[in-house]
Amino acid sequence: EAEVAQSPRYKITEKSQAVAFWCDPISGHATLYWYRQILGQGPELLVQFQDESVVDDSQLPKDRFSAERLKGVDSTLKIQPAELGDSAMYLCAISGQDRGNTIYFGEGSWLTVV
Amino acid sequence: GNSVTQMEGPVTLSEEAFLTINCTYTATGYPSLFWYVQYPGEGLQLLLKATKADDKGSNKGFEATYRKETTSFHLEKGSVQVSDSAVYFCALSRNTGNQFYFGTGTSLTVIP
Repeated sequence: EAEVAQSPRYKITEKSQAVAFWCDPISGHATLYWYRQILGQGPELLVQFQDESVVDDSQLPKDRFSAERLKGVDSTLKIQPAELGDSAMYLCAISGQDRGNTIYFGEGSWLTVV
Repeated sequence: GNSVTQMEGPVTLSEEAFLTINCTYTATGYPSLFWYVQYPGEGLQLLLKATKADDKGSNKGFEATYRKETTSFHLEKGSVQVSDSAVYFCALSRNTGNQFYFGTGTSLTVIP
């Protein structure tokens, strides 16, 4: 069973529309990450949470992207308005001392902006 | 700073050939090192890891040894199968702050 559940798996949206992704770790983990992976490239960190606090969002395009983890468990990533260049896979991941300081990924959410 | 450099692909091998994917790293302190595998349309899956110098990580016939003197963590497999076709990512983590750094990935295709 995957450590992290993500939804939706696939999303097609029109340019300038809003889109949201949801991440639910199977059990509580202190550290949660959102990564963006453009086809053919490695994952790029967008935001890192420690419990409900953001510890790194230096690469998050804050004019259009937002992320929250209100209760320190599940998390949402929102894009508004979506642009063509946002087409990518959005990966949620977790880590923590209880997981041997190893990062575990969900299956990802594919976004296509048309 | 912290970074990972891995060999560029794509790599194409015949079934049962020997595989090496090179990975070198730059890091402050003593990082942990990882290899992840990504099959088409899926997230990254942990393949193996090593947490200190001279440790060997192994899984599913894949091996990698943490070499501090050469700052390397090369991935090897003695006999690849068609089912090993995927993209492989080398990564390191600085245990302080749970920060992870990924290479750009190496695509492997194994032909029958």
